[in-house]
Amino acid sequence: NAGVMQNPRHLVRRRGQEARLRCSPMKGHSHVYWYRQLPEEGLKFMVYLQKENIIDESGMPKERFSAEFPKEGPSILRIQQVVRGDSAAYFCASSLKGEDYGYTFGSGTRLTVV
Amino acid sequence: GQSLEQPSEVTAVEGAIVQINCTYQTSGFYGLSWYQQHDGGAPTFLSYNALDGLEETGRFSSFLSRSDSYGYLLLQELQMKDSASYFCAVRDQGSGNTPLVFGKGTRLSVIA
Repeated sequence: NAGVMQNPRHLVRRRGQEARLRCSPMKGHSHVYWYRQLPEEGLKFMVYLQKENIIDESGMPKERFSAEFPKEGPSILRIQQVVRGDSAAYFCASSLKGEDYGYTFGSGTRLTVV
Repeated sequence: GQSLEQPSEVTAVEGAIVQINCTYQTSGFYGLSWYQQHDGGAPTFLSYNALDGLEETGRFSSFLSRSDSYGYLLLQELQMKDSASYFCAVRDQGSGNTPLVFGKGTRLSVIA
């Protein structure tokens, strides 16, 4: 059981480029959550997806950010035209059911915008 | 909406007991969770309380008082490896369509 797999672990992008972060949930889990974490801060919710559906995107900025979880393949968090303020750790978590409290988190992608 | 308050930092001695508090405000309430995160690592689930009282899992225990909107995580026989950040989390609605909201975390430093 490989757990939640995120890649890449580290990503460096220049301002204005696009960043694509991937997340494969635990086997059998169909609920995926993306969180952003700034240094010394908590986990801030961004978006909640099920296969082919966005359930809640209330925490995701309206511009430049998008997320998907296709029928086949990993969930993708996409950040267009990155800015320095996008530098953060992005964590993906998955759960078997939406009401579960025990999320399984991936190791995160650390995005640095230079 | 929801808000959670927990101390930003706590320092304790190896072998001692430490309590990390969490108060919350939610429009509804369906349980309090605790997660641990080591520096550079992934958050990992520790415990969950839906009902009032103490839940014990080895050296870690978690307590909930719904009437006080308050909970705590108790760590006993502290070890150096317990140095990490600890987050409380809630969901304020019972439906499966609301994700967990996390507090800002308490950084625990265990010293010799």
